Amino acid sequence: SQQGEEDPQALSIQEGENATMNCSYKTSINNLQWYRQNSGRGLVHLILIRSNEREKHSGRLRVTLDTSKKSSSLLITASRAADTASYFCATADSYNKLIFGAGTRLAVHP
Amino acid sequence: NAGVTQTPKFQVLKTGQSMTLQCAQDMNHNSMYWYRQDPGMGLRLIYYSASEGTTDKGEVPNGYNVSRLNKREFSLRLESAAPSQTSVYFCASSVYEQYFGPGTRLTVT
Repeated sequence: SQQGEEDPQALSIQEGENATMNCSYKTSINNLQWYRQNSGRGLVHLILIRSNEREKHSGRLRVTLDTSKKSSSLLITASRAADTASYFCATADSYNKLIFGAGTRLAVHP
Repeated sequence: NAGVTQTPKFQVLKTGQSMTLQCAQDMNHNSMYWYRQDPGMGLRLIYYSASEGTTDKGEVPNGYNVSRLNKREFSLRLESAAPSQTSVYFCASSVYEQYFGPGTRLTVT
């Protein structure tokens, strides 16, 4: 069974708009990570947020973590067509074993 | 650095055949992982290796075996392939964030 559940399953926006994806999980975690997957390719790590952190930024990415609600969100600001991909959250235990959600498919239209 | 490499990229097997998927990393990472990804789903952990000489089961280990040959290489073996093992297989290595290979697309007919 999968730990995380992303919401929405699919998101379609115009270039320049912001995209927000949410992730909920069930058990306690060591950290939570977000990955991007372009069609047919391997996953690329985007950002890691530790369980004692509440917010983290990386370029146009902003991630929040609320451990009391067992949820996280990924915000991509000023989206570009090149951001079109699937985005996955993954929770890590103390052995850094990852459990992935089913992902959000983001389509950014020019 | 090549990062994480996987061979082969594509494979078609008949039910009952065996094969080994190869994975190698050149980042000197201790931990390595094998995942499978089915259509519309996230990755599910098959086996992992926290360090050379150790392996442990993940979420979906049935039908698979692994070998951590050395620090660089971690192979996944299907002894008797079944149609349910049709999937895309990813290898990864890590310190904290995981670095993924390009995947092996396996079809079992």
